[in-house]
Amino acid sequence: GENVEQHPSTLSVQEGDSAVIKCTYSDSASNYFPWYKQELGKRPQLIIDIRSNVGEKKDQRIAVTLNKTAKHFSLHITETQPEDSAVYFCAAVVIGGAQKLVFGQGTRLTINP
Amino acid sequence: GAVVSQHPSWVICKSGTSVKIECRSLDFQATTMFWYRQFPKQSLMLMATSNEGSKATYEQGVEKDKFLINHASLTLSTLTVTSAHPEDSSFYICSAGSGSDTDTQYFGPGTRLTVL
Repeated sequence: GENVEQHPSTLSVQEGDSAVIKCTYSDSASNYFPWYKQELGKRPQLIIDIRSNVGEKKDQRIAVTLNKTAKHFSLHITETQPEDSAVYFCAAVVIGGAQKLVFGQGTRLTINP
Repeated sequence: GAVVSQHPSWVICKSGTSVKIECRSLDFQATTMFWYRQFPKQSLMLMATSNEGSKATYEQGVEKDKFLINHASLTLSTLTVTSAHPEDSSFYICSAGSGSDTDTQYFGPGTRLTVL
């Protein structure tokens, strides 16, 4: 089955700097890669996603890149703000298959003012 | 947008009792619902996939007789933790999708279960 590895487990950056979180996946059939932000005690919130037919997607300060050959994808947050502090999870899923989201281990991002 | 609710939001129970958690899709029909468990400072782990009108598919290592799942309608799935023990204390989250070609899953707010 699918296995998703996420790094780093914790990340601390100065406000205004950029943050990058990386994930690798094992199943070449995976074709949809969402990123979630989760605040303590809350549900995961989808912040950006990318399908396997696209190499990069951007939404304001957030971007995701995908390298299908290497089977890795990354989340980039620019101009970080204190409200970006949260736990971020990557995930991989096979659309049209079992639809199961397989999550990475999570990254605790702290933005220092 | 699509909204998924869960009830209760938190529950405290005694060891040995059973607890039922409801997951509802409020404004769409969910052909598939998923149940996750999240321990403190850990990731979400899929427990089972629930399809309306059929038996749930459990992930390896998840006891189907302990975690009973019922998906009786296109808007409601329930998870019953039977004979709960302290090690079952966790954050249980459901998600719902509206079809096999849909990539987006909508998450419920979660249920915090504490077993004394």
